[in-house]
Amino acid sequence: DGGITQSPKYLFRKEGQNVTLSCEQNLNHDAMYWYRQDPGQGLRLIYYSQIVNDFQKGDIAEGYSVSREKKESFPLTVTSAQKNPTAFYLCASSIGSGTDYGYTFGSGTRLTVV
Amino acid sequence: SQKIEQNSEALNIQEGKTATLTCNYTNYSPAYLQWYRQDPGRGPVFLLLIRENEKEKRKERLKVTFDTTLKQSLFHITASQPADSATYLCALLTSGGSYIPTFGRGTSLIVHP
Repeated sequence: DGGITQSPKYLFRKEGQNVTLSCEQNLNHDAMYWYRQDPGQGLRLIYYSQIVNDFQKGDIAEGYSVSREKKESFPLTVTSAQKNPTAFYLCASSIGSGTDYGYTFGSGTRLTVV
Repeated sequence: SQKIEQNSEALNIQEGKTATLTCNYTNYSPAYLQWYRQDPGRGPVFLLLIRENEKEKRKERLKVTFDTTLKQSLFHITASQPADSATYLCALLTSGGSYIPTFGRGTSLIVHP
């Protein structure tokens, strides 16, 4: 079955560490996105990529980095510069801009700073 | 400033009734509006899309309306079931934003048997 796989489901980070969240899709979607969700808040866009080897900052890119070397993969690195990284991270993909068919989301990674 | 407002209070209804959820927005001119369902600890699931020139869209027990004058979308679930209990998110897509959705905070729906 086609879909988006995020791993790990739970991740614990010590202060000062970088961690990388994995996102893989086998839907042949061109565009991929990373959102962050905090309790009681809407999803906030971190980064997005509409084609391979190109990506754009979203609303809250500071302290995060991404790469898009393959169409199927869009890993997110949470760097030590991100001061409040504890959150639920969601990866999504879409056909084109996602206007007609919506976004397909992964099951998320819950990151906790310990 | 731009805002998307969804009722932060949970909507509690009895099984079989129609649930109506509201999405209001200010300072947006969305070309599209999408609705998603999110279960606890899971990613959102796309339900319906409505375009700015459409007044109403239906899919099975779901109905969405879009009033660009009132700057409001209503999301209806008819004959609601306990399995419909979830958080429902609206998302606005504008040409100025490269059609990338901006999400509301969502409204929790609880359907009681």
